[in-house]
Amino acid sequence: DVKVTQSSRYLVKRTGEKVFLECVQDMDHENMFWYRQDPGLGLRLIYFSYDVKMKEKGDIPEGYSVSREKKERFSLILESASTNQTSMYLCASSSPRVFLYEQYFGPGTRLTVT
Amino acid sequence: SQELEQSPQSLIVQEGKNLTINCTSSKTLYGLYWYKQKYGEGLIFLMMLQKGGEEKSHEKITAKLDEKKQQSSLHITASQPSHAGIYLCGADPTGGGADGLTFGKGTHLIIQP
Repeated sequence: DVKVTQSSRYLVKRTGEKVFLECVQDMDHENMFWYRQDPGLGLRLIYFSYDVKMKEKGDIPEGYSVSREKKERFSLILESASTNQTSMYLCASSSPRVFLYEQYFGPGTRLTVT
Repeated sequence: SQELEQSPQSLIVQEGKNLTINCTSSKTLYGLYWYKQKYGEGLIFLMMLQKGGEEKSHEKITAKLDEKKQQSSLHITASQPSHAGIYLCGADPTGGGADGLTFGKGTHLIIQP
């Protein structure tokens, strides 16, 4: 089975801290994604990556950056966390070799910024 | 940009009853994905529809894409407690398959025993 893992299920950080959210997939997928999910707003795409060292902005990239040094790992970085970044963060991966480009999701990280 | 509207926002159904969730797109759909999410967890892929008029079924869940490819419905027959959760429709905005999906806001489904 495809497995997408995220480094933490729950995280509490202080305003102004630098925060790293890690995502690892074990199926050699080319594409990786970071979304955030908020009540009333649904899932929104932050950043995605087609390949190692490649990154593309999604719908809401402000306040975030990403890093993809290895194919299996995609990191989301909050340079200076703010309370409006309190949210559920979901990582996903996909591949053109997988029928229908199905996106596989990790369990999510619930981040609270105080 | 593409927008997806889901209805209803929430649904309370008695166990054993049928139900339907709708997803309407502001633009033609290249690919429409249905996911289920248990509260506080990640998304589980249910089905993907590409062709106008297409219909797919898995166990007691059936999804359809209309001929014009702008609306999809998800139908659950004889609902069970295991069906409870959030149902999300997602669209591939470019048809290329590699970009992120645009999601609806979700439908919260509660099954009453």
